[in-house]
Amino acid sequence: DAGVIQSPRHEVTEMGQEVTLRCKPISGHNSLFWYRQTMMRGLELLIYFNNNVPIDDSGMPEDRFSAKMPNASFSTLKIQPSEPRDSAVYFCASSLGAGDPSTDTQYFGPGTRLTVL
Amino acid sequence: GQQVMQIPQYQHVQEGEDFTTYCNSSTTLSNIQWYKQRPGGHPVFLIQLVKSGEVKKQKRLTFQLGKEKKNSSLHITATQTTDVGTYFCAGPNNAGNMLTFGGGTRLMVKP
Repeated sequence: DAGVIQSPRHEVTEMGQEVTLRCKPISGHNSLFWYRQTMMRGLELLIYFNNNVPIDDSGMPEDRFSAKMPNASFSTLKIQPSEPRDSAVYFCASSLGAGDPSTDTQYFGPGTRLTVL
Repeated sequence: GQQVMQIPQYQHVQEGEDFTTYCNSSTTLSNIQWYKQRPGGHPVFLIQLVKSGEVKKQKRLTFQLGKEKKNSSLHITATQTTDVGTYFCAGPNNAGNMLTFGGGTRLMVKP
């Protein structure tokens, strides 16, 4: 089975540009998570969807960040406008999401390394 | 919010030495999960512990959940260079409705 798929794997952009990161969760998984990882702040949860509905977006840094999940097999994380401090590795993860989310194993994608110049 | 705290943040060991990372919580954990992230890679699930005092082994890795279910540890016997990476524990958040990751312990092994 294919794991979580993310694209692009690397993105270099200039400050002020719009960036869109994409994720395809594992088929049959009902929960999807977007994380940001930096050396300074570690692994931060940005937003969590269950059955395509955003459940917790308290980790989204500010209005420049938005995430959508139009269907069970696709999600996007958009940054507009991007800033140098957004440079990080962004991971998407999915889990079965059928029971207690605090016990579900999460499966991570390979990540998107974003550099904003 | 974050509920699980990990120590140490970093650990350098000589190849062949043992290594232990600890995960602590102020409240009882329904479960604890451990993940490993290789340099340049993504977190990969290793194991889940649920029962009080549970001990599980994977080759040279030993995972333990404390009797009060408030702490957990991962012990690696005779480290190898392939053990290099960051080890994360993950447990329920304060509200108990989501999994939250600890800060991770970065292990470096000198050959």
